[in-house]
Amino acid sequence: QVHLVQSGAEVREPGASVKVSCKASGYAFTAYAIHWVRQAPGQGLEWVGWIAGDIEDTKYSRKFRSRVTFTRDVSAGTAYMELRSLRSEDTAVFYCARGTGGLDFDYWGQGTLVTVSS
Amino acid sequence: DIVMTQSPLFLPVTPGEPASISCRSSQSLLHSNGNNYLHWYRQKAGQSPQLLIYMGSNRASGVPDRFSGSGSGTDFTLRISRVEAEDVGVYYCMQALQVPWMFGQGTKVEIK
Repeated sequence: QVHLVQSGAEVREPGASVKVSCKASGYAFTAYAIHWVRQAPGQGLEWVGWIAGDIEDTKYSRKFRSRVTFTRDVSAGTAYMELRSLRSEDTAVFYCARGTGGLDFDYWGQGTLVTVSS
Repeated sequence: DIVMTQSPLFLPVTPGEPASISCRSSQSLLHSNGNNYLHWYRQKAGQSPQLLIYMGSNRASGVPDRFSGSGSGTDFTLRISRVEAEDVGVYYCMQALQVPWMFGQGTKVEIK
C-alpha cells in the first residue's frame, strides 16, 4: 500500500524558513517523482515543482524558484521542501504527491499547514 | 504558461441526475505521442485531492464508472452519469504537458 506521510504543522515568523518532509512507503522511492502543491486558505491548487526519483533533477515553478529547494534522501525514502524568506502570503497547506509516468499525481500526502505570522 | 479555465465554478446537482464540468486550456494538451496531458482531481472538504481521471479519459484505480472524461486538444469534459451524495467536493482539471503544471480554478459541486 502506497503512503506519503508529511511532517506536522509549522509556524514561522516572516523572513524565516521552513522545511517540510514527505516520507514515502509501499513502492520503490526512486521509480517516481515527488511533486509539491500549495493551497492557500480557501483557495485552489498551485503547483510548486517536482524532484525526480531516479536522478538529481528538479523543476520549480517560476513563482517559487528563487525561494524553494527540493531535496531527497533515497535511503530514508523521504523528500523535502524548503521554503525561505517566508511572508504572510505563504500561509498555506503544502501537499506532496507522487508523479507517475503519465505525469498525473496518483497518491497524495495528508498536507502540511505552514502558518507565517509574527 | 498554459491557462486552465473551468466552468461552471459552482454546480448544484440533484442526486441521480447527470452532471458535467468543462475545462479549457489556452494551448493544446495533445502530445505528439497521441496522449492528452489533462487530468482530473476531486478534493473533498478537509481532505487531500484524489486523482479521478488521467490522460483525459482514463479512470484512476478505484474510481466508480459513473465518472468519465472526454475531450482532446483544448476542450475537455468530466461527466458524472448519476450523481451521488458522496460526489460533493471541488473538482480540478490540471495540465501536465508543460512546466509549470497548471490547475483550473476548481468547480464546487454541491447537492441541491
